[in-house]
Amino acid sequence: GQQLNQSPQSMFIQEGEDVSMNCTSSSIFNTWLWYKQDPGEGPVLLIALYKAGELTSNGRLTAQFGITRKDSFLNISASIPSDVGIYFCAGRIPQGGKLIFGQGTELSVKP
Amino acid sequence: DARVTQTPRHKVTEMGQEVTMRCQPILGHNTVFWYRQTMMQGLELLAYFRNRAPLDDSGMPKDRFSAEMPDATLATLKIQPSEPRDSAVYFCASGLVTGPGSFGNTIYFGEGSWLTVV
Repeated sequence: GQQLNQSPQSMFIQEGEDVSMNCTSSSIFNTWLWYKQDPGEGPVLLIALYKAGELTSNGRLTAQFGITRKDSFLNISASIPSDVGIYFCAGRIPQGGKLIFGQGTELSVKP
Repeated sequence: DARVTQTPRHKVTEMGQEVTMRCQPILGHNTVFWYRQTMMQGLELLAYFRNRAPLDDSGMPKDRFSAEMPDATLATLKIQPSEPRDSAVYFCASGLVTGPGSFGNTIYFGEGSWLTVV
Protein backbone atom coordinates (compact mmCIF):
# COMPACT_ATOMS: atom_id res chain seq x y z
CA GLY A 1 0.00 0.00 0.00
CA GLN A 2 0.96 3.65 0.00
CA GLN A 3 3.60 4.71 2.48
CA LEU A 4 5.26 7.96 3.42
CA ASN A 5 8.82 7.99 4.67
CA GLN A 6 9.46 11.02 6.82
CA SER A 7 12.91 12.03 7.99
CA PRO A 8 14.54 12.71 10.24
CA GLN A 9 12.67 11.01 13.08
CA SER A 10 13.93 13.54 15.58
CA MET A 11 16.04 16.68 15.71
CA PHE A 12 17.75 18.51 18.54
CA ILE A 13 18.76 22.01 17.55
CA GLN A 14 19.82 25.31 19.05
CA GLU A 15 17.45 28.26 19.04
CA GLY A 16 18.03 30.34 15.94
CA GLU A 17 19.07 27.46 13.72
CA ASP A 18 17.24 26.50 10.57
CA VAL A 19 15.47 23.15 10.30
CA SER A 20 14.68 20.97 7.33
CA MET A 21 12.58 17.82 7.15
CA ASN A 22 11.16 15.87 4.25
CA CYS A 23 8.80 13.16 3.13
CA THR A 24 9.18 10.78 0.24
CA SER A 25 7.02 8.09 -1.25
CA SER A 26 6.85 5.71 -4.16
CA SER A 27 3.27 6.89 -4.75
CA ILE A 28 2.03 10.07 -6.38
CA PHE A 29 -0.02 12.55 -4.38
CA ASN A 30 -2.12 15.48 -5.53
CA THR A 31 -1.91 17.36 -2.23
CA TRP A 32 0.76 17.61 0.43
CA LEU A 33 -0.09 18.88 3.88
CA TRP A 34 2.21 19.68 6.80
CA TYR A 35 0.91 19.54 10.36
CA LYS A 36 2.30 20.26 13.79
CA GLN A 37 1.11 18.41 16.87
CA ASP A 38 1.65 19.64 20.42
CA PRO A 39 1.33 17.26 23.38
CA GLY A 40 -2.28 16.48 24.18
CA GLU A 41 -3.60 18.20 21.07
CA GLY A 42 -4.69 17.25 17.60
CA PRO A 43 -2.54 17.99 14.55
CA VAL A 44 -2.82 21.58 13.38
CA LEU A 45 -2.46 22.41 9.71
CA LEU A 46 0.59 24.55 8.90
CA ILE A 47 0.88 24.57 5.13
CA ALA A 48 -1.06 23.03 2.23
CA LEU A 49 0.46 22.41 -1.21
CA TYR A 50 -1.67 21.68 -4.23
CA LYS A 51 0.49 21.37 -7.31
CA ALA A 52 3.87 20.02 -8.33
CA GLY A 53 6.66 22.53 -7.87
CA GLU A 54 4.62 24.81 -5.62
CA LEU A 55 6.63 26.64 -2.98
CA THR A 56 4.58 28.14 -0.15
CA SER A 57 5.54 30.10 2.94
CA ASN A 58 3.77 30.71 6.21
CA GLY A 59 5.86 33.03 8.34
CA ARG A 60 9.13 31.27 9.09
CA LEU A 61 7.87 28.05 7.49
CA THR A 62 8.44 27.18 3.86
CA ALA A 63 7.28 24.00 2.15
CA GLN A 64 7.58 22.67 -1.37
CA PHE A 65 5.62 20.13 -3.39
CA GLY A 66 8.18 18.05 -5.29
CA ILE A 67 8.16 18.08 -9.08
CA THR A 68 7.72 14.31 -9.22
CA ARG A 69 4.69 14.63 -6.86
CA LYS A 70 6.29 11.96 -4.69
CA ASP A 71 8.01 14.17 -2.14
CA SER A 72 7.79 17.34 -0.12
CA PHE A 73 9.97 19.24 2.31
CA LEU A 74 9.37 21.66 5.16
CA ASN A 75 11.89 24.25 6.29
CA ILE A 76 11.72 26.29 9.48
CA SER A 77 14.01 29.28 9.63
CA ALA A 78 15.41 30.85 12.80
CA SER A 79 13.83 28.32 15.14
CA ILE A 80 12.38 29.42 18.48
CA PRO A 81 11.44 27.37 21.56
CA SER A 82 7.72 27.30 20.66
CA ASP A 83 8.58 25.40 17.47
CA VAL A 84 8.99 22.33 19.68
CA GLY A 85 6.57 19.57 18.74
CA ILE A 86 6.00 16.77 16.28
CA TYR A 87 5.71 17.66 12.61
CA PHE A 88 3.80 15.40 10.25
CA CYS A 89 3.62 15.34 6.50
CA ALA A 90 0.49 13.99 4.86
CA GLY A 91 -0.21 13.15 1.26
CA ARG A 92 -3.57 12.89 -0.43
CA ILE A 93 -3.98 10.11 -2.94
CA PRO A 94 -5.56 11.22 -6.25
CA GLN A 95 -8.13 8.43 -6.39
CA GLY A 96 -10.63 8.63 -3.59
CA GLY A 97 -8.84 11.26 -1.57
CA LYS A 98 -7.35 9.07 1.14
CA LEU A 99 -4.94 11.05 3.33
CA ILE A 100 -1.96 9.17 4.73
CA PHE A 101 0.65 10.40 7.17
CA GLY A 102 4.37 10.15 7.67
CA GLN A 103 5.72 8.90 10.98
CA GLY A 104 6.52 12.38 12.23
CA THR A 105 9.61 14.40 13.05
CA GLU A 106 10.03 15.33 16.69
CA LEU A 107 11.69 18.71 17.04
CA SER A 108 13.43 19.88 20.20
CA VAL A 109 14.79 23.43 20.41
CA LYS A 110 17.35 24.35 23.03
CA PRO A 111 17.17 27.99 24.16
CA ASP B 1 -14.00 29.87 14.45
CA ALA B 2 -15.05 26.63 12.71
CA ARG B 3 -13.53 23.47 14.11
CA VAL B 4 -13.99 19.74 14.35
CA THR B 5 -15.53 18.73 17.67
CA GLN B 6 -14.95 15.35 19.25
CA THR B 7 -16.46 13.71 22.31
CA PRO B 8 -15.51 12.37 24.74
CA ARG B 9 -12.07 13.96 25.18
CA HIS B 10 -11.04 11.21 27.57
CA LYS B 11 -12.50 7.78 28.25
CA VAL B 12 -11.35 5.00 30.56
CA THR B 13 -13.30 1.79 30.23
CA GLU B 14 -13.05 -1.85 31.14
CA MET B 15 -12.23 -4.52 28.63
CA GLY B 16 -15.36 -5.86 26.98
CA GLN B 17 -17.33 -2.63 27.25
CA GLU B 18 -18.73 -0.78 24.28
CA VAL B 19 -17.15 2.56 23.43
CA THR B 20 -18.69 5.16 21.16
CA MET B 21 -16.79 8.21 19.98
CA ARG B 22 -18.53 11.09 18.26
CA CYS B 23 -17.41 13.73 15.85
CA GLN B 24 -19.02 16.87 14.53
CA PRO B 25 -17.25 17.87 11.31
CA ILE B 26 -16.88 21.45 10.19
CA LEU B 27 -20.12 22.67 8.64
CA GLY B 28 -20.00 22.32 4.85
CA HIS B 29 -17.23 19.73 4.80
CA ASN B 30 -18.12 16.61 2.81
CA THR B 31 -15.29 14.29 3.83
CA VAL B 32 -14.74 12.85 7.30
CA PHE B 33 -11.76 10.77 8.40
CA TRP B 34 -11.17 8.63 11.49
CA TYR B 35 -7.54 8.12 12.54
CA ARG B 36 -5.98 6.24 15.41
CA GLN B 37 -2.68 7.42 16.86
CA THR B 38 -0.32 5.26 18.91
CA MET B 39 3.35 5.58 19.70
CA MET B 40 4.15 2.46 17.74
CA GLN B 41 2.03 2.99 14.62
CA GLY B 42 1.72 6.74 14.36
CA LEU B 43 -1.40 8.05 12.63
CA GLU B 44 -3.33 5.23 11.00
CA LEU B 45 -6.36 5.80 8.83
CA LEU B 46 -9.27 3.69 10.05
CA ALA B 47 -12.06 4.85 7.76
CA TYR B 48 -13.32 7.80 5.80
CA PHE B 49 -16.59 9.03 4.36
CA ARG B 50 -17.54 11.25 1.44
CA ASN B 51 -21.00 12.77 1.54
CA ARG B 52 -21.80 10.35 4.38
CA ALA B 53 -20.98 7.27 2.30
CA PRO B 54 -18.10 5.08 3.48
CA LEU B 55 -15.29 5.15 0.91
CA ASP B 56 -12.67 3.10 2.65
CA ASP B 57 -12.71 1.28 5.97
CA SER B 58 -9.92 -1.16 5.21
CA GLY B 59 -7.85 0.16 8.10
CA MET B 60 -10.44 -0.83 10.65
CA PRO B 61 -10.72 -4.20 12.45
CA LYS B 62 -14.11 -5.24 11.15
CA ASP B 63 -15.01 -7.65 13.89
CA ARG B 64 -15.18 -5.02 16.63
CA PHE B 65 -15.07 -1.59 15.01
CA SER B 66 -17.82 0.17 13.13
CA ALA B 67 -18.05 3.69 11.73
CA GLU B 68 -21.16 5.51 10.59
CA MET B 69 -22.45 8.92 9.61
CA PRO B 70 -26.09 9.10 10.66
CA ASP B 71 -26.25 12.61 9.25
CA ALA B 72 -23.97 15.29 7.85
CA THR B 73 -23.26 16.74 11.28
CA LEU B 74 -22.36 13.54 13.10
CA ALA B 75 -19.85 10.76 12.60
CA THR B 76 -19.49 7.91 15.08
CA LEU B 77 -16.83 5.31 15.73
CA LYS B 78 -17.87 2.37 17.85
CA ILE B 79 -15.77 -0.38 19.42
CA GLN B 80 -17.60 -3.43 20.74
CA PRO B 81 -16.19 -5.20 22.65
CA SER B 82 -13.20 -3.03 23.54
CA GLU B 83 -9.79 -4.54 24.27
CA PRO B 84 -6.68 -3.12 25.96
CA ARG B 85 -4.90 -2.96 22.59
CA ASP B 86 -7.51 -0.43 21.46
CA SER B 87 -6.03 2.12 23.87
CA ALA B 88 -5.00 5.05 21.69
CA VAL B 89 -5.97 8.53 20.67
CA TYR B 90 -8.73 8.58 18.07
CA PHE B 91 -8.86 11.62 15.83
CA CYS B 92 -11.61 12.78 13.57
CA ALA B 93 -10.76 15.11 10.70
CA SER B 94 -12.91 16.79 8.08
CA GLY B 95 -12.36 18.52 4.78
CA LEU B 96 -14.05 19.72 1.61
CA VAL B 97 -13.18 17.68 -1.45
CA THR B 98 -14.84 18.88 -4.62
CA GLY B 99 -13.62 16.32 -7.14
CA PRO B 100 -10.70 14.10 -8.18
CA GLY B 101 -8.91 17.05 -9.70
CA SER B 102 -9.76 19.50 -6.97
CA PHE B 103 -6.99 21.10 -5.02
CA GLY B 104 -8.80 23.44 -2.70
CA ASN B 105 -9.20 20.97 0.07
CA THR B 106 -7.46 21.26 3.38
CA ILE B 107 -8.23 18.89 6.18
CA TYR B 108 -8.66 19.86 9.81
CA PHE B 109 -8.40 17.71 12.90
CA GLY B 110 -10.34 17.58 16.12
CA GLU B 111 -8.56 17.45 19.46
CA GLY B 112 -8.93 13.70 19.74
CA SER B 113 -10.60 11.17 22.04
CA TRP B 114 -8.08 9.64 24.43
CA LEU B 115 -9.17 6.07 25.07
CA THR B 116 -7.78 3.77 27.74
CA VAL B 117 -9.10 0.23 27.98
CA VAL B 118 -8.11 -1.57 31.18
